[in-house]
Amino acid sequence: SAVISQKPSRDICQRGTSLTIQCQVDSQVTMMFWYRQQPGQSLTLIATANQGSEATYESGFVIDKFPISRPNLTFSTLTVSNMSPEDSSIYLCSVEPQADTQYFGPGTRLTVL
Amino acid sequence: SQQGEEDPQALSIQEGENATMNCSYKTSINNLQWYRQNSGRGLVHLILIRSNEREKHSGRLRVTLDTSKKSSSLLITASRAADTASYFCATQGNSGNTPLVFGKGTRLSVIA
Repeated sequence: SAVISQKPSRDICQRGTSLTIQCQVDSQVTMMFWYRQQPGQSLTLIATANQGSEATYESGFVIDKFPISRPNLTFSTLTVSNMSPEDSSIYLCSVEPQADTQYFGPGTRLTVL
Repeated sequence: SQQGEEDPQALSIQEGENATMNCSYKTSINNLQWYRQNSGRGLVHLILIRSNEREKHSGRLRVTLDTSKKSSSLLITASRAADTASYFCATQGNSGNTPLVFGKGTRLSVIA
């Protein structure tokens, strides 16, 4: 299994500002995944972060809007840039420390006013 | 995208009854997983079933998989108020460190 923490757990931000979300894992993992869950919706993959290389973004998500860092095998950050109310969501990171079982962080609940 | 559909979208039952949720997906998979989410918080992994398996049990949970119909079901027996949550199926197309594709989820309410 894996223990994952995220910071902040929640935030309320003004439009036009940026927020960086941190994801910390208690073990070394190759891949980290970032998902977005809009209000009342399911999870949608934003990007896959592999240590030592550029993140791979899904259709509809771009690096300028959601820059990701992956400085080591236990940590990643996702920045939500130039926020608008449409970015209000829960942002979750996940890892797969053992074959085929992904574990999720507790999520960061973002509200943009 | 192979995002699945789940039905029902919402389910309300009495404590002690069984709850069945269904999930369909679009493309071939390596495995299918079920997660629970309480009140918009983090997801809890419940059970994984591989594409070569047809049924799996874990405690009060029973999962079936029909790859010919591209569908799965999650049965929760003898439900409890604490089972109230949203339940999501998620598929993984390849084994090992690939992202999950989530269904839309079923919101289960268990009334005491």
